[in-house]
Amino acid sequence: SQQGEEDPQALSIQEGENATMNCSYKTSINNLQWYRQNSGRGLVHLILIRSNEREKHSGRLRVTLDTSKKSSSLLITASRAADTASYFCATVGGSRLTFGEGTQLTVNP
Amino acid sequence: GAGVSQSPSNKVTEKGKDVELRCDPISGHTALYWYRQRLGQGLEFLIYFQGNSAPDKSGLPSDRFSAERTGESVSTLTIQRTQQEDSAVYLCASSFSWSGEGYTFGSGTRLTVV
Repeated sequence: SQQGEEDPQALSIQEGENATMNCSYKTSINNLQWYRQNSGRGLVHLILIRSNEREKHSGRLRVTLDTSKKSSSLLITASRAADTASYFCATVGGSRLTFGEGTQLTVNP
Repeated sequence: GAGVSQSPSNKVTEKGKDVELRCDPISGHTALYWYRQRLGQGLEFLIYFQGNSAPDKSGLPSDRFSAERTGESVSTLTIQRTQQEDSAVYLCASSFSWSGEGYTFGSGTRLTVV
């Protein structure tokens, strides 16, 4: 079974609004990563947060990590139509990179 | 090359035929993963190579699936006697190290078994 589980499965917002996606995982991790996927093909690495970090920023992205709750969130601020994509969290525990099922984000113009 | 290259981009094959998918990782990347993604679903781990260590094959769904990688170069994923449920996008990713420091993905091979 997948290590990470994202919620919601689908999110639809208006341009300019913020989008928050959550990820929960089951076992201890070295780090947690968020990826974006357009049109069901290659994934693009967005941001990595290590297990000893609690928050990280990159442009309009903000990631938090709560290892006590085994959860992470990805916040996209001031969303744009071009942010429409599927977003996946992936955890690294040992050597394996394990993905969740993803959140489909739709940003309406 | 600058990125991870996968070929072919699309493959349509008849049920029962064998297929071979290729992944060219970024030069110098020691770690390489294969994943399968069915339509509308998440990524399913298949196999992991790290340098010259024995690969982690624990994700291969059946003995019809096999993969090879020589050193830190090209990897091939072979599916024998393809079935319709093998239809999916097969994604390859590579990285400098085992610690998963931001993997680079290829664009995938879309396999359709008819």
